[in-house]
Amino acid sequence: DAGITQSPRHKVTETGTPVTLRCHQTENHRYMYWYRQDPGHGLRLIHYSYGVKDTDKGEVSDGYSVSRSKTEDFLLTLESATSSQTSVYFCAISVFQASGNTIYFGEGSWLTVV
Amino acid sequence: QQQVKQSPQSLIVQKGGISIINCAYENTAFDYFPWYQQFPGKGPALLIAIRPDVSEKKEGRFTISFNKSAKQFSLHIMDSQPGDSATYFCAASTGGTDKLIFGTGTRLQVFP
Repeated sequence: DAGITQSPRHKVTETGTPVTLRCHQTENHRYMYWYRQDPGHGLRLIHYSYGVKDTDKGEVSDGYSVSRSKTEDFLLTLESATSSQTSVYFCAISVFQASGNTIYFGEGSWLTVV
Repeated sequence: QQQVKQSPQSLIVQKGGISIINCAYENTAFDYFPWYQQFPGKGPALLIAIRPDVSEKKEGRFTISFNKSAKQFSLHIMDSQPGDSATYFCAASTGGTDKLIFGTGTRLQVFP
């Protein structure tokens, strides 16, 4: 599992409430990512980080913000959750290897907005 | 606009058969093409990957075929097994950015 822990794993929340998902890694990898997975869309990049306090937007960043105050933690926040944000969220890290970088994914966080 | 197009959406194969999943891309700057396997309730896991300097890469029963001129790549699973039943995603990225662009996925079912 490349030392990635996502929390919570499952959450049901109401429309308009803030939600924060946490991704924790144990191996001090520099690059971290948040993806969402939806039927018919595959996985789409929300935000990514190249280091502490160094973040940038992906292709579906509207309605989401991120923070990375420590190397090991990458937080994804939905400031005001909407039903369209019901999805499975995956955190990922990039691990440098001799053959090239490899992206490893966490186990996912299932979010339902009602 | 889907930068990586994957087909078929679903695939049913008999045990021992060959499973073939195809992907096509548009961005000629892509230089890394991985395939991920995902089981229900789990995160995607890297299966095999290729870079455009080779036309084929094989790892066990899994082979990637790459056609740079056609901007297409495919995954072949030889001697398909029920344990291969999963969703498969192709992906692509550029210049070491590690920002993967994924296809929409193929659900593979292998029946005994």
